[in-house]
Amino acid sequence: NAGVTQTPKFQVLKTGQSMTLQCAQDMNHEYMSWYRQDPGMGLRLIHYSVGAGITDQGEVPNGYNVSRSTTEDFPLRLLSAAPSQTSVYFCASRRSGEQFFGPGTRLTVL
Amino acid sequence: GEDVEQSLFLSVREGDSSVINCTYTDSSSTYLYWYKQEPGAGLQLLTYIFSNMDMKQDQRLTVLLNKKDKHLSLRIADTQTGDSAIYFCAERLISGAGSYQLTFGKGTKLSVIP
Repeated sequence: NAGVTQTPKFQVLKTGQSMTLQCAQDMNHEYMSWYRQDPGMGLRLIHYSVGAGITDQGEVPNGYNVSRSTTEDFPLRLLSAAPSQTSVYFCASRRSGEQFFGPGTRLTVL
Repeated sequence: GEDVEQSLFLSVREGDSSVINCTYTDSSSTYLYWYKQEPGAGLQLLTYIFSNMDMKQDQRLTVLLNKKDKHLSLRIADTQTGDSAIYFCAERLISGAGSYQLTFGKGTKLSVIP
């Protein structure tokens, strides 16, 4: 199993640009989630999904959209990037018990 | 409330024991976790403890849980330079029918001095 994969690893955007952060898992996990990690803030939950076709907001959802058309994929969309969205983004998945994290995407918005 | 608090930094000498502390506020937490994040990497589950346990030992790692005080600690014996990382405490909270969320602390950066 590849586990949880994320692409790209690094990305630089200009303010107002849009992009999609990709996340995929091959463990048939129902639950997937997106976190952002900022210095001194720990991990904050952006959006999560308990299964294909079901998504819900986390602690900091504003400025982000998600969809879950398949069990494997859970992309995170930034429609109009802002400097406040400069962060490291982690995708995670689980069935029950242990939550597995991807390697992260480091995003810089200029 | 759903706050998990940790001190931000800890520095120890190689070979000494490290103790990383965490407090949480929600008494309904069922599991408490310790994750390790090495530089440039994602989070890796180190160990966890069920809320009806007081202690769990796993090789060099000892987790102590004081449920009355809502205090969790992670002790690393014989700390090595490879233990340098950020350690996150997390609590598991039921969020809906059959589902739960993890709430993370801000992380403790452990620096090991050779």
